[in-house]
Amino acid sequence: GENVEQHPSTLSVQEGDSAVIKCTYSDSASNYFPWYKQELGKRPQLIIDIRSNVGEKKDQRIAVTLNKTAKHFSLHITETQPEDSAVYFCAAGGSGGYQKVTFGTGTKLQVIP
Amino acid sequence: DTAVSQTPKYLVTQMGNDKSIKCEQNLGHDTMYWYKQDSKKFLKIMFSYNNKELIINETVPNRFSPKSPDKAHLNLHINSLELGDSAVYFCASSQGTGLRYGYTFGSGTRLTVV
Repeated sequence: GENVEQHPSTLSVQEGDSAVIKCTYSDSASNYFPWYKQELGKRPQLIIDIRSNVGEKKDQRIAVTLNKTAKHFSLHITETQPEDSAVYFCAAGGSGGYQKVTFGTGTKLQVIP
Repeated sequence: DTAVSQTPKYLVTQMGNDKSIKCEQNLGHDTMYWYKQDSKKFLKIMFSYNNKELIINETVPNRFSPKSPDKAHLNLHINSLELGDSAVYFCASSQGTGLRYGYTFGSGTRLTVV
């Protein structure tokens, strides 16, 4: 099955700086890569996703890049703000009969004002 | 209007008890899931139903039994609760396999077994 590794597990940045979270996946047939944000005590929420036919996608201060050859994808947050503080999960999916997504282990991002 | 609602939000119970968590979605989605999030925040899928049919059944103890009376509801019953069952349980739903619009999660049920 799919195995998703995520780094770093914790990340502290100064407000206004950029944050980068990296994930690798094992199943070359995976073709869907979502990112979820989970604020403290809240539910995970989809913030952006990318498919294997696209190398990069941007939505305001958030961007995701995908390198299918190397089987890794990254989340980039620019001009970080305190409200970006949360746990971020990458996920990979789309292969196999049930096409489920497998989540990474999460990155706790702290933006220091 | 809550899209995916779970009850109860908190559940404290003793070892050996049997408990149920209920989930309902009003999004018209046809697939629902149960995820377990442990103390290290790892999100692990347990079950998935598509139109009331079980399609994903991960390696979960037999003490966990999901039930989907219709495609808008997915309940989780847990028998003989153990300390290791303490976690936050999230229900989620998606249209199809969730690979087009992602998952919508419920607010979670924090289960504490004492």
